[in-house]
Amino acid sequence: DAGVIQSPRHEVTEMGQEVTLRCKPISGHNSLFWYRQTMMRGLELLIYFNNNVPIDDSGMPEDRFSAKMPNASFSTLKIQPSEPRDSAVYFCASSLVGRGPSGNTIYFGEGSWLTVV
Amino acid sequence: GESVGLHLPTLSVQEGDNSIINCAYSNSASDYFIWYKQESGKGPQFIIDIRSNMDKRQGQRVTVLLNKTVKHLSLQIAATQPGDSAVYFCARSGNTPLVFGKGTRLSVIA
Repeated sequence: DAGVIQSPRHEVTEMGQEVTLRCKPISGHNSLFWYRQTMMRGLELLIYFNNNVPIDDSGMPEDRFSAKMPNASFSTLKIQPSEPRDSAVYFCASSLVGRGPSGNTIYFGEGSWLTVV
Repeated sequence: GESVGLHLPTLSVQEGDNSIINCAYSNSASDYFIWYKQESGKGPQFIIDIRSNMDKRQGQRVTVLLNKTVKHLSLQIAATQPGDSAVYFCARSGNTPLVFGKGTRLSVIA
């Protein structure tokens, strides 16, 4: 079975440029999560979707960040404009939840390693 | 408030010895706790979970203990191997998605 697939795996971009990270969740999963990982803050939840609907985006740092899930098999996280402090590993994860995103194992992708210079 | 914390940021263990990684939590509403392992350059990988109505759960070489009285969770790895070297995260889930601790780095000394 294919796990959560993320692209790109690595990206180096200049400050001010737009960055788009992509995610394909595990087929059949109904919840999708975007996490950011840094040495200072650890793993932070940015936003999560249930049945393609954004449920909580309170973790999104600011208006420069946006996420979409146009269908059950695809999601994007966009940063525009990017800043050096956005440099981090961005993980997408998915799970199969009966009702709400609690109590079920979350499966992570391999991450997108972003460096903004 | 909701938080998951770790007692030790790093742990060095001799190969073959048992490892114990500890985690404290503050939110009593948690109904599900999970341990993840993250190897260098990879995403977190599920190891074992435990529901709040349990005190202990065993897997292959791993055991998770839950002490709700003191809000403490531990992961025990038996006969630690070099492949166990990684960062281990505890996470809790309740009515909101997983909240992760900062992680403990386990280094296995050959």
